[in-house]
Amino acid sequence: EVQLVESGGGLVQPGGSLRLSCAASGFTFGSYWMTWVRQAPGKGLEWVANINRDGSETYSVDSLKGRFTISRDNAKNSLYLQMNSLRAEDTAVYYCARAPAYSGSLYYFDYWGQGTLVTVSS
Amino acid sequence: DIVMTQSPDSLPVSLGERATINCKSSQSVLYSNNKDYLAWYQQKPGQPPKLLIYWASTRESGVPDRFSGSGSGTDFTLTISSLQAEDVAVYYCQQYINHPQTFGQGTKLEIK
Repeated sequence: EVQLVESGGGLVQPGGSLRLSCAASGFTFGSYWMTWVRQAPGKGLEWVANINRDGSETYSVDSLKGRFTISRDNAKNSLYLQMNSLRAEDTAVYYCARAPAYSGSLYYFDYWGQGTLVTVSS
Repeated sequence: DIVMTQSPDSLPVSLGERATINCKSSQSVLYSNNKDYLAWYQQKPGQPPKLLIYWASTRESGVPDRFSGSGSGTDFTLTISSLQAEDVAVYYCQQYINHPQTFGQGTKLEIK
């Protein structure tokens, strides 16, 4: 069974940093593109970033470049999102999601984790 | 960026009736391979999104056949042929032809 379990969320002050993790199981992690999507409270979905199978290629939304970095460790079956210089508007549930097999950088997402809540507030 | 606009924002439908949600993209999502790079997701309260439809009309495995997707280019529709109580949720369309991948604002489907 495919499982994606996010962790690392919590309360952080504006300007602070946080590193989110997503532990994957039930599939060959290194064979799939992976993605982070976020959802502000009561709002819609926003794609954040994705990463290719070996971590050599990444894409992210322009507004977050320079602050957020996606990475992965295939040996640990884990996906990460390093978030720096956090702002109140970064408050959201952060989901990791998987693109289907044989996909590229532009694809839909067939499995999602339950999400981890990040709250940026003083 | 491609803007995805869904209508309506909220849709009350009686049990057993048809529900139709529309999604319009600001640019065509039809690629030269003749595939529309458009997906639909269902999100129930407190849960992550669930993939329903991809390539505009291909139903994900395990999704009931009362869910169907149609359309091409810039105009798409998600149809639920006979609404069940468990279909109450917010529905999102997503384009994945260009970076950044973008979602519609969501349509809240409720029981009338």
